Parts: sequence; C-alpha cells; structure tokens
Amino acid sequence: DAKTTQPPSMDCAEGRAANLPCNHSTISGNEYVYWYRQIHSQGPQYIIHGLKNNETNEMASLIITEDRKSSTLILPHATLRDTAVYYCIVRDVVEYGNKLVFGAGTILRVKS
Amino acid sequence: SAVISQKPSRDICQRGTSLTIQCQVDSQVTMMFWYRQQPGQSLTLIATANQGSEATYESGFVIDKFPISRPNLTFSTLTVSNMSPEDSSIYLCSVWPRKIHSSTDTQYFGPGTRLTVL
Repeated sequence: DAKTTQPPSMDCAEGRAANLPCNHSTISGNEYVYWYRQIHSQGPQYIIHGLKNNETNEMASLIITEDRKSSTLILPHATLRDTAVYYCIVRDVVEYGNKLVFGAGTILRVKS
Repeated sequence: SAVISQKPSRDICQRGTSLTIQCQVDSQVTMMFWYRQQPGQSLTLIATANQGSEATYESGFVIDKFPISRPNLTFSTLTVSNMSPEDSSIYLCSVWPRKIHSSTDTQYFGPGTRLTVL
C-alpha cells in the first residue's frame, strides 16, 4: 500500500506557483521522498527527491517539514505543460532497489 | 540517466491471444520492473525482472499470465498471455540504473505500451 496521502486534484493559474502537498506520517528514517509526474499517456517523469533537507533543481523545489511527516512540491511558475498527475512516493533506500509504490496522486490542472 | 524504449508502442489484440512487449535500455542497469496502468488508474507493479533468474511477482500477478524474461542487463520482455478485455492497459518498463546506491539515484520509466484487447 502507498504510504502517502495527496489531495485528488488542484487547480493553479498559469504563471503562479503550484504548491502540491503530501502527507507521509509513517515515514521512517531511511526513506526518501520522491516526486514523479505523469503527463497524459506518457511514462512517469522524475522530478525531485529528498531525505530531510529542502531540495531544488531546474524543475521544482521540495520542502520537507522538520518532523518529515509531510512535504510540499513547488513548481515556481506553472505553465500549461505542467498539467499532469503528480505522485509523491516514499522509498527505503537501505532496502536497495525497493520498489516504487504509487498512490493515486494529485491531478494538477494549470489554467490560463 | 537511462533511456528506455518499448516495442510496440501500442497494439490492438484479440481475446485469447498473447502479446510480448520488449523493453530496451541504452545502458546496463541493475533492476528492471514492469508496471501496469489500467484506464484511469495509478501504476501497479507487476514484477521485478531478475537477470539470470525467475522474475519476482507482486501479489495478484502470476508467471503463467505474465511471463517475463531478462536475458541480459539491458533487455527484458513481458508477455501478456491468453488476453481478455480486462488486460487492456498501459504496460510500463522501469529501471533502477546503478548497482551501488547513491543518494542521487532515481528510477526511470519507459514510454509505455498501450494495449487494447477486443
């Protein structure tokens, strides 16, 4: 079973920041938080991941709370092409190669 | 990173037939996985394809229905056997590239094979 809880859908105005929340209250010390997205009819695309520190790359920022029980993915300037299903996944890196278990994800709709 | 290709990209098949889906990676990878995505649903892991040994199947999936081969570190096949309309899904290949874990590691997905069973 997925270890994360996400809202089923969100809307965001084009050009504004999209903030996607994720709850992972049972996360253990070895588990990273990963974010993927799936644009319609394509394979999932990796976005970002982190353990406990905030992370930023060219696509997004990941903010993880101090207790690690929740996180937020931030797309700083959402475009129409960011419309997709966003999946938050926790993964145990000590158990090398542990499978990614997908939950339902959040459908993000970016509107002009 | 790893670039993954799948063949075929889509197919329409008749009930009772079988289809073999190929997954090719541009570099040697340690772990390969097969996922299924039914219409309107999230991804479900079918199995882990093990090089040189039998695949490891998740609960609800069996080898007779979804036989998997992995002859080397860059290639795997998934066969959907004795198909029914309920097998209509997108089938995705995924890889975990490196043998030695790094905090920068991530898992990559192929473009998927869209299967319709009539």
